[in-house]
Amino acid sequence: EVQLVESGGGLVQPGGSLRLSCAASGFTFRSYWMSWLRQAPGKGLEWVATTNNDGRKTYYVDSVKDRFTISRDNAKNSLDLQMNSLRPEDTAVYYCATEYWGTFDSWGQGTLVTVSS
Amino acid sequence: EIVLTQSPGTLSLSPGERATLSCRASQSVSSSYLAWYQQKPGQAPRLLISGASTRATGIPDRFSGSGSGTGFTLTISRLEPADFAVYYCQHYDTSRRTFGQGTKLEIK
Repeated sequence: EVQLVESGGGLVQPGGSLRLSCAASGFTFRSYWMSWLRQAPGKGLEWVATTNNDGRKTYYVDSVKDRFTISRDNAKNSLDLQMNSLRPEDTAVYYCATEYWGTFDSWGQGTLVTVSS
Repeated sequence: EIVLTQSPGTLSLSPGERATLSCRASQSVSSSYLAWYQQKPGQAPRLLISGASTRATGIPDRFSGSGSGTGFTLTISRLEPADFAVYYCQHYDTSRRTFGQGTKLEIK
């Protein structure tokens, strides 16, 4: 059974940094593209970033480019999202998900990031 | 940039009725890269349909997807109480992934 468990969320001041992690199990992690998505309180879903299976290709939504970095460690079955220069509009539940041909087929339960002074 | 517009914003129906949810793209998209998700309060989204019409593993056959080009539809043939949720369509291209704003399916 696919399991994705996010961690690292919390309260951070505007301009601060936070690193999210996603621990994966139950599937061959190194074979899958992986993504981060988010959902602001009471709002819809937004894709944030994707990495290919070996981590050499990454893609970002325009609003986080140059601030967020997605990375993975296939030896540890883990996915990270380094978030710098955080803004109040980055407040959201952040989900990690497996991605297969652009479809997000398994999701974690999410971790809440709150950017506020 | 492709924009996905879902309608209606809210759909009020009774159990046993048929639900038809629409997703319209701002330009023609490949149906291979059109998906639908269901999200219940406090839960992560769940993949329902990929490739516009292929049900994901474990999704009951009362859920069906159709469409091509700029217009796509998610149909739930006979609503059950567990089906009342928010539904999102989503498109993929090489450099970005885009969601519609969602349709809330509520009990009438």
